[in-house]
Amino acid sequence: SQTIHQWPATLVQPVGSPLSLECTVEGTSNPNLYWYRQAAGRGLQLLFYSVGIGQISSEVPQNLSASRPQDRQFILSSKKLLLSDSGFYLCAWSVNEGEQYFGPGTRLTVT
Amino acid sequence: AQKITQTQPGMFVQEKEAVTLDCTYDTSDQSYGLFWYKQPSSGEMIFLIYQGSYDEQNATEGRYSLNFQKARKSANLVISASQLGDSAMYFCAMIRLWNNDMRFGAGTRLTVKP
Repeated sequence: SQTIHQWPATLVQPVGSPLSLECTVEGTSNPNLYWYRQAAGRGLQLLFYSVGIGQISSEVPQNLSASRPQDRQFILSSKKLLLSDSGFYLCAWSVNEGEQYFGPGTRLTVT
Repeated sequence: AQKITQTQPGMFVQEKEAVTLDCTYDTSDQSYGLFWYKQPSSGEMIFLIYQGSYDEQNATEGRYSLNFQKARKSANLVISASQLGDSAMYFCAMIRLWNNDMRFGAGTRLTVKP
């Protein structure tokens, strides 16, 4: 069966520090991968999605970047965090146009 | 760009009653999919139901049904026989089938009263 992992579960980082959030998927090949951010009490904002290795589509211009070094690995990064980067980050995968399966999320607090 | 609108920030329903959560969407695409997700306080996103734009029948999954009205571009979620465990945030979402671009609505917080 398919499984999606995200880590860490929670993270507190100072402003200006770097960020690396990792997402891995097991049990499927060539998935579509997504990064979302959810501000407190708000809906999900699509940040990046990827349909294959090295293929990244960016939806929101900001100080975040994403990379897909392997088929089932999706990394969200920042060189310098801002206070506004605080939120709940969710990784998701899908195959073709099917439903998206979400990871457990990472709660990031930038102080 | 496609837009998903959920006009009800919060809804209350009595236990065992049915409730309808509204969702409208705006797209010029012909091929798309519509989803509903549930997010309890733990934060996980739980898939509930899916409707393809070419599906003629409304999707149903247990107590969940999707009232799909294509001409009105609406995809309301109906939860029958509400349970206390249904209290959560509910998100409507749409995916463009040609590029897998997915967008979410702002969500509706449902509270089931005992």
